[in-house]
Order: sequence, then C-alpha cells, then structure tokens
Amino acid sequence: RKEVEQDPGPFNVPEGATVAFNCTYSNSASQSFFWYRQDCRKEPKLLMSVYSSGNEDGRFTAQLNRASQYISLLIRDSKLSDSATYLCVVNIQGAQKLVFGQGTRLTINP
Amino acid sequence: NAGVTQTPKFRVLKTGQSMTLLCAQDMNHEYMYWYRQDPGMGLRLIHYSVGEGTTAKGEVPDGYNVSRLKKQNFLLGLESAAPSQTSVYFCASSYGKGSNTGELFFGEGSRLTVL
Repeated sequence: RKEVEQDPGPFNVPEGATVAFNCTYSNSASQSFFWYRQDCRKEPKLLMSVYSSGNEDGRFTAQLNRASQYISLLIRDSKLSDSATYLCVVNIQGAQKLVFGQGTRLTINP
Repeated sequence: NAGVTQTPKFRVLKTGQSMTLLCAQDMNHEYMYWYRQDPGMGLRLIHYSVGEGTTAKGEVPDGYNVSRLKKQNFLLGLESAAPSQTSVYFCASSYGKGSNTGELFFGEGSRLTVL
C-alpha cells in the first residue's frame, strides 16, 4: 500500500463550482500534512498546511481526520486559474523527509 | 532572487553515459532533496541531505549517487544512465530540523531523456 494515496482524477468542473479532494495516508505516526499545487510543467509550490482543527485560506479549506487517516481540500467558487495538479504531502514524525501523493489533476472549465 | 537553481534544465543521454545534475540554493537551508517525477507516480524521493557532508537514501536511490560537499550545493550523479531513468528531476531545499513547516522550495526541474 502506498504511504499517501490520492484520486488522480482528472476532475473537470465548471467555473464557480465547489470541488473537494481527499487524500489518505497509511502511517499513523504522520505528524504534518500539506497541500501543494503544481502547474503544468512547473515545480510544486506549497498551497497550505493542514492543521488538526482545520484551516481556511480564502476560498481554500483544508481538513484533517486523524481517526480515518485522511486529509481533504475544498475549493469554493473555483476560478480558471485553479486549474492545476494538487499534491497531498505527509511528514512522518522523526523522518526528515516529506512523502508526496501522486496528485489530483483539476481542470476548471469556463 | 534565485532560490533553488538546477542545471542543466534539459539533457539527452545515451544508455551507459554518465552525468551530474547540479542543485544550488542561496537561502542557507540545511536540508536538500532530489526527487524524480514520472507520470502516474508522483514525486519520489531519490536521496536527501540534512546538512553539509551528510546524505541519506530515499525511496528510489538505486542507480544514483549524491554529494553535499558545500551547504549550498547538492549534486545528483548518474554513473551509467538507463532508459528507466528518463524522468523529470526536481531538487528542493528546506530550513530543516526545528522548523518543520513542510515548506519545500523547488527548483524548476531538469528533464532527462535516456535513449
């Protein structure tokens, strides 16, 4: 089983819609969680961290469910510029490295 | 405003040739990483370094070697390239222990094709 798993998509949604992705992780010792965004043929960039209490940054909301070992990303009022691949990232306690999911590809259509 | 710089950005090799990818960061980061990215596989960690003079194996280290002789540089070597090493390679750096923000700063990537 992969350490971090995501639905690869692609997700095609109309502009203005709300879309949500989930990501599951296998190691219960995982301590830190993040969402990265990667545009086509570009490098990944940090979108937001995921905190235990959930957190929001504008149109983006991230949630963590430790009991079920998954994190989620919700995008409201989606924009054309939100089209990208979204990578779920997990940091396991004591390990000095981050593990990436394979990414979920999102396309926002006009 | 350089951040993380990778060279070269593109390279075509023949099977059996060797090459070195250079990563340089100007942010005084302790940790540096080399990832490869393949379709449907996501980013996989090859090797990483938690400080000058130290390196460690990641998820897919076979066929690669690394060196971190200077804090700002992290080199990835392919001694005898194979077609399976055709990929996009990303270098990244982070602040390191005690600053577990999870924010990696990536270079723009190096596209390697092995024929």
